[in-house]
Amino acid sequence: KQEVTQIPAALSVPEGENLVLNCSFTDSAIYNLQWFRQDPGKGLTSLLLIQSSQREQTSGRLNASLDKSSGRSTLYIAASQPGDSATYLCAVQEDQGAQKLVFGQGTRLTINP
Amino acid sequence: NAGVMQNPRHLVRRRGQEARLRCSPMKGHSHVYWYRQLPEEGLKFMVYLQKENIIDESGMPKERFSAEFPKEGPSILRIQQVVRGDSAAYFCASSRKTGVGGYTFGSGTRLTVV
Repeated sequence: KQEVTQIPAALSVPEGENLVLNCSFTDSAIYNLQWFRQDPGKGLTSLLLIQSSQREQTSGRLNASLDKSSGRSTLYIAASQPGDSATYLCAVQEDQGAQKLVFGQGTRLTINP
Repeated sequence: NAGVMQNPRHLVRRRGQEARLRCSPMKGHSHVYWYRQLPEEGLKFMVYLQKENIIDESGMPKERFSAEFPKEGPSILRIQQVVRGDSAAYFCASSRKTGVGGYTFGSGTRLTVV
């Protein structure tokens, strides 16, 4: 059974710092991995999608890497801003035919001005 | 493109009442997924539907919960005889085809059972 773990559960850093959020999964046979952002009381916004054949994806100040063999992904946020404060969720899809995403419990990020 | 639309945004029900949550997928998406997020927890898969068919309901509680996606109209998640433990955020997502291109989530319905 696939399990997804995110560390740390919460992180508070001053504005301007670069930071890394971690995601690990127990079964390396995944189809893709997706990072989402969730603001309090809101829905999920997709940030980056990495296919199993890819090693990383970049969007603006965000960079996500994937190491399937070790069951790990990292989300790197450069030059953090207060507007980056949110909960970040990673989710894996186990195969192309699988319908469900398996989510981690998220990392609650606070960027202090 | 209005995205995935869920309504209502907030729903309050007394114990024993029925809750009906609606989800309209993105235009061009024919696959709908429902997830539940309990307080301070991650999202858990509930059910996957295509038009008029339930494909995977392995995450649905065996009793009181049902889902449908009719030929016309939105997908409905129905919870009968709600209990306090049903209080959660319920999210709907849609995709074009299974597993292709990722998923788009709605803003969720926050159900509170009093």
